[in-house]
Amino acid sequence: EADIYQTPRYLVIGTGKKITLECSQTMGHDKMYWYQQDPGMELHLIHYSYGVNSTEKGDLSSESTVSRIRTEHFPLTLESARPSHTSQYLCASSGTSGRAYEQYFGPGTRLTVT
Amino acid sequence: GENVEQHPSTLSVQEGDSAVIKCTYSDSASNYFPWYKQELGKRPQLIIDIRSNVGEKKDQRIAVTLNKTAKHFSLHITETQPEDSAVYFCAAPSEGGATNKLIFGTGTLLAVQP
Repeated sequence: EADIYQTPRYLVIGTGKKITLECSQTMGHDKMYWYQQDPGMELHLIHYSYGVNSTEKGDLSSESTVSRIRTEHFPLTLESARPSHTSQYLCASSGTSGRAYEQYFGPGTRLTVT
Repeated sequence: GENVEQHPSTLSVQEGDSAVIKCTYSDSASNYFPWYKQELGKRPQLIIDIRSNVGEKKDQRIAVTLNKTAKHFSLHITETQPEDSAVYFCAAPSEGGATNKLIFGTGTLLAVQP
């Protein structure tokens, strides 16, 4: 079944550790997104990719980085985690032509940095 | 760029009553307006959307209306049920639709009291 997958679902890690949040989709979509969602509910775009080898920073400044080497895979990396990175991270994707704006979300990764 | 405002931030209704959530947008070039529902601990899911060539769209108990002149759109839920309790987000295309990015509203926490 076509879906968006994120791993891990929950992660508790100490300050200074390097982490990678995985996102993959079997939707056949070319565009992928990373959002940060704090308990205050708002969804903030932190990274965006049009396709392979194309990434942009989003509206909310983030110390994380992303890569897009394969169409279906869009991992997010934090080189040195800090308590301020504690949040929920949601990955999403969207397709082309008439349904290009319809974004489908993954289940999220809840990150806690101690 | 686009700016989306959403009201109210919280809404409590009795089961069976109607609920209305309103959003305004700033970019007159925006042409697509989705609504997402996020239940507690789950991913946001698209529940209904409207394009700028129509003024209203219905899907069973939910409907969305669009007023392009006033640049606002609303979600209407009739005969509310406890399972409608969730956070609802409106959105509009970023940069007038030049990209496929969406700008989300700040969310409305809807509580349906049985």
